[in-house]
Amino acid sequence: EIVLTQSPGTLSLSPGERATLSCRTSQSISNIYLAWYQQRPGQAPRLLIYGTSSRATGIPDRFSGSGSGTDFTLTISRLEPEDFAIYYCQIYDTSPTFGPGTKVDFK
Amino acid sequence: EVQLVESGGGLVQPGGSLRLSCAASGLTVASSFMSWVRQAPGKGLEWVSLIYAGGSTYYTDSVKGRFTISRDNSKNTLYLQMNSLRAEDTAVYYCARFVVIQPRFDYWGLGTLVTVSS
Repeated sequence: EIVLTQSPGTLSLSPGERATLSCRTSQSISNIYLAWYQQRPGQAPRLLIYGTSSRATGIPDRFSGSGSGTDFTLTISRLEPEDFAIYYCQIYDTSPTFGPGTKVDFK
Repeated sequence: EVQLVESGGGLVQPGGSLRLSCAASGLTVASSFMSWVRQAPGKGLEWVSLIYAGGSTYYTDSVKGRFTISRDNSKNTLYLQMNSLRAEDTAVYYCARFVVIQPRFDYWGLGTLVTVSS
């Protein structure tokens, strides 16, 4: 079973700053299997990135994904107020698995 | 526009049963890979169950033998029958479409809250 680790647990930033979120897998995976989701308080998760770097429909280009092997990154180039949320990475091994999440909150 | 609307959540005693429904519009449940994902209060996301377009079903270990995923093609609706409920099943349950190629959950419902408590 592949285990996901996300860091940091909480990222405290200001609007306009750059956010860099990490997702590490316990085993090397193909790039096609890594996705990222945003969850705002009281809302359902929303797909942001799939296949490591492909943006989902309607996702602004300030969101980008990168990485390979066991190290993957979600970057938000300039934080907007609506970007303060929790972010989850997800893989598919024998079943879908989510990481524990990174909370991006106001500094 | 795709919409997934869950219903059927509520308060149930330990050992009880509940059936969740997910009414879909804008997509065809019969030809989609559909899933249930849950989120315990203040916790992260946990995949629960998946039904393939061909009808094969899959479950996370903690619900095997207790939960059953199914669909009614004529109603374009997904179900989750939950039996022998435990306190640790307390969560918001989301219905989501799963895409197998470049695996991801691309459409999500708003969720329905299940509370297991005496």
